[in-house]
Amino acid sequence: GEDVEQSLFLSVREGDSSVINCTYTDSSSTYLYWYKQEPGAGLQLLTYIFSNMDMKQDQRLTVLLNKKDKHLSLRIADTQTGDSAIYFCAESMGGSYIPTFGRGTSLIVHP
Amino acid sequence: NAGVTQTPKFRVLKTGQSMTLLCAQDMNHEYMYWYRQDPGMGLRLIHYSVGEGTTAKGEVPDGYNVSRLKKQNFLLGLESAAPSQTSVYFCASSPGTANTEAFFGQGTRLTVV
Repeated sequence: GEDVEQSLFLSVREGDSSVINCTYTDSSSTYLYWYKQEPGAGLQLLTYIFSNMDMKQDQRLTVLLNKKDKHLSLRIADTQTGDSAIYFCAESMGGSYIPTFGRGTSLIVHP
Repeated sequence: NAGVTQTPKFRVLKTGQSMTLLCAQDMNHEYMYWYRQDPGMGLRLIHYSVGEGTTAKGEVPDGYNVSRLKKQNFLLGLESAAPSQTSVYFCASSPGTANTEAFFGQGTRLTVV
């Protein structure tokens, strides 16, 4: 939906870092999520961040949250070909517990 | 633990035909959702349910109906299929708490000719 915006494509070289950006509109979102969708599969939760946090790190993944600008980013260090997928940013709208997704960013990793 | 299971995985319908997509979850989740995924459009919410016996409209409900007679099942019906309903349909469920991590099925690829 238009409440969550992402760029549609990102191309990186294997071994480089990838940064996928997302902006959202609902300042009351409690949790913000990153999902990964591999070809022909459903979405799987990659990581999430609670709204009172600025950063969360999980192995190669770093999530940064700027609440003032309503900006969320996902950084993947040492990007591998297996990271090629569509990445969706999602928020839960103001207590409704209904996740709203962005359009997804297709990450293409080339040698 | 099967998680969220969708049936069928693929289907081809003729315009005007009807069908029902079945979603089953074994995690005792309160919330269930139906999304459709189209190229460049991301995931759009069709209908959702916050508990057994309740349903509500999402962003794109026209042409679809749903039922949640049992907590573990959420059915999506197309009464009279149209080519515009060609899409990949995903069912998801979540506990219905503040952390709304959603668990997704593998999807149903529907083509209406």
